[in-house]
Amino acid sequence: AQSVTQLDSQVPVFEEAPVELRCNYSSSVSVYLFWYVQYPNQGLQLLLKYLSGSTLVESINGFEAEFNKSQTSFHLRKPSVHISDTAEYFCAVSDINTDKLIFGTGTRLQVFP
Amino acid sequence: DTEVTQTPKHLVMGMTNKKSLKCEQHMGHRAMYWYKQKAKKPPELMFVYSYEKLSINESVPSRFSPECPNSSLLNLHLHALQPEDSALYLCASSQEGKGDTQYFGPGTRLTVL
Repeated sequence: AQSVTQLDSQVPVFEEAPVELRCNYSSSVSVYLFWYVQYPNQGLQLLLKYLSGSTLVESINGFEAEFNKSQTSFHLRKPSVHISDTAEYFCAVSDINTDKLIFGTGTRLQVFP
Repeated sequence: DTEVTQTPKHLVMGMTNKKSLKCEQHMGHRAMYWYKQKAKKPPELMFVYSYEKLSINESVPSRFSPECPNSSLLNLHLHALQPEDSALYLCASSQEGKGDTQYFGPGTRLTVL
């Protein structure tokens, strides 16, 4: 069975500071990895995904994540955050054989001015 | 275009009411999903339809009844709900399922009185 761990339930950070949101997964099969962002009272938006190929994936708004197979991690990073990045971030994993997307418990990123 | 639409945005219903949630996508996706999300929690999978057939039911109570009339449309029929069923109901779709990227709608905020 797969599982996803997001160790940090909340990450407070000042604007323009760098941030890292941690995600570790456990799976016995090949997986796809995702980061979704959820702004207040909205649905989930796909931020970025790792399916195969380059282990470093980037989003259009400055976030990046690196797949590390040996450490079973897929941490999300941004070198300089904005107030508008305040949201809930979910890491998720799906195996290539099922229709199930397994979510972590989420990390609340709070950016302060 | 990766848009999934959901109606209504908000729904308030009594425990004896019958109502339906609607989800639509025009991306040609063949897998569609219903999730339930409680406050400050990750989404929980309820149902999966693959090629218009129910493929996964995560032991959801029978007061929730999904329906997939065609490849673009997914309904969730609600009857005799309980106050604890109040939540954000999210619909998602993916190209073929089996680990494909899932795209989420904005959700329906359901309140059961």
